[in-house]
Amino acid sequence: NAGVTQTPKFRILKIGQSMTLQCAQDMNHNYMYWYRQDPGMGLKLIYYSVGAGITDKGEVPNGYNVSRSTTEDFPLRLELAAPSQTSVYFCASSYASGTYNEQFFGPGTRLTVL
Amino acid sequence: AQTVTQSQPEMSVQEAETVTLSCTYDTSESDYYLFWYKQPPSRQMILVIRQEAYKQQNATENRFSVNFQKAAKSFSLKISDSQLGDAAMYFCAYKVAGRGGADGLTFGKGTHLIIQP
Repeated sequence: NAGVTQTPKFRILKIGQSMTLQCAQDMNHNYMYWYRQDPGMGLKLIYYSVGAGITDKGEVPNGYNVSRSTTEDFPLRLELAAPSQTSVYFCASSYASGTYNEQFFGPGTRLTVL
Repeated sequence: AQTVTQSQPEMSVQEAETVTLSCTYDTSESDYYLFWYKQPPSRQMILVIRQEAYKQQNATENRFSVNFQKAAKSFSLKISDSQLGDAAMYFCAYKVAGRGGADGLTFGKGTHLIIQP
């Protein structure tokens, strides 16, 4: 199992450009999450999904969009990139059941908006 | 809304010694989970230890153990026999139980742990 994979690893965008951060998991997890980590801070939840076709906002959703057409994939779309979106983005997934619903994290994407 | 506070931005310990990282949280929920994650320079988030709020017994994983004080809303991490590979950022995290586990994690700002050889 590859676990949770994210592409790209690094990206530099210009202000106003758009891009999609890709996330895929091969563990057949129902739940998937997107977090951002700003310098010196913990992770903050952007969006999450409890299954294909179902998504919901987290703590910091402004400026982002998500979709979940399959169980495996959960892309994050940035429209009109702004310097405030410079951050490291983590995707995570977990089972729908189980005691802890432990989240498994991808390696992250470092995004810089100039 | 739940909040997680880590009051120590940085801690330093000699190799082979013991160090304790502090975490407090605020919630109105009675059933929840608490976690400690390790983030080395590779950025990968690694689960170190976890605790269920309804369990009074403190969780232990090899050299890592927690001191969970539910009434005080405190969840500290003790690392015994510190090793150079323990050097990393450590994040305390909270998740409410129930609701199918769909909720994301709420993280503290982290503690940077330095291991002195």
